[in-house]
Amino acid sequence: DAKTTQPPSMDCAEGRAANLPCNHSTISGNEYVYWYRQIHSQGPQYIIHGLKNNETNEMASLIITEDRKSSTLILPHATLRDTAVYYCIVRGGSSNTGKLIFGQGTTLQVKP
Amino acid sequence: KAGVTQTPRYLIKTRGQQVTLSCSPISGHRSVSWYQQTPGQGLQFLFEYFSETQRNKGNFPGRFSGRQFSNSRSEMNVSTLELGDSALYLCASSWEYNSPLHFGNGTRLTVT
Repeated sequence: DAKTTQPPSMDCAEGRAANLPCNHSTISGNEYVYWYRQIHSQGPQYIIHGLKNNETNEMASLIITEDRKSSTLILPHATLRDTAVYYCIVRGGSSNTGKLIFGQGTTLQVKP
Repeated sequence: KAGVTQTPRYLIKTRGQQVTLSCSPISGHRSVSWYQQTPGQGLQFLFEYFSETQRNKGNFPGRFSGRQFSNSRSEMNVSTLELGDSALYLCASSWEYNSPLHFGNGTRLTVT
């Protein structure tokens, strides 16, 4: 499984867009990029995933570079409730459906 | 649709005892995975079950075991508990390859 690199922490002002970067330079052609977040004392929450096209859902947008070596998760209007640890994960292989390799993630602090 | 349910929410055990944790996946999901989360090691994959068969296993000692029933519900067991087994144990379920994993809120195990 490809490894990911994220900054350990970031701050964002409430109401502004939060842009969380992730490097995954060894990603393989059939591996997807997934984003999860974990609010204290809860289980990780799925946010979004993509293969090579940009994706958007009601929570966030995912921008993947053309060479697929990096991606950015965008929370368009961050709120205090978005304060959490965000994990970028590369996932692939039909035999690894349930196996996610979590790094240390990025702690996003949304400030009023 | 009900989410992933884990019971009990909190558990306190003594060194040397054994413990069984339970997980009910989202209806229709056949893959169930277990994770251990500690402050020092972060989120680590324990094992995955699919259609009652263990499909993947992480790097944990044999004291950690699991099983899955025909209704996809799963249990994990830890025998001969050690202080280092104190952790948040998370269960996740998914429908198939490359559908997102959905996590429960975990069982907080404390070993004294």
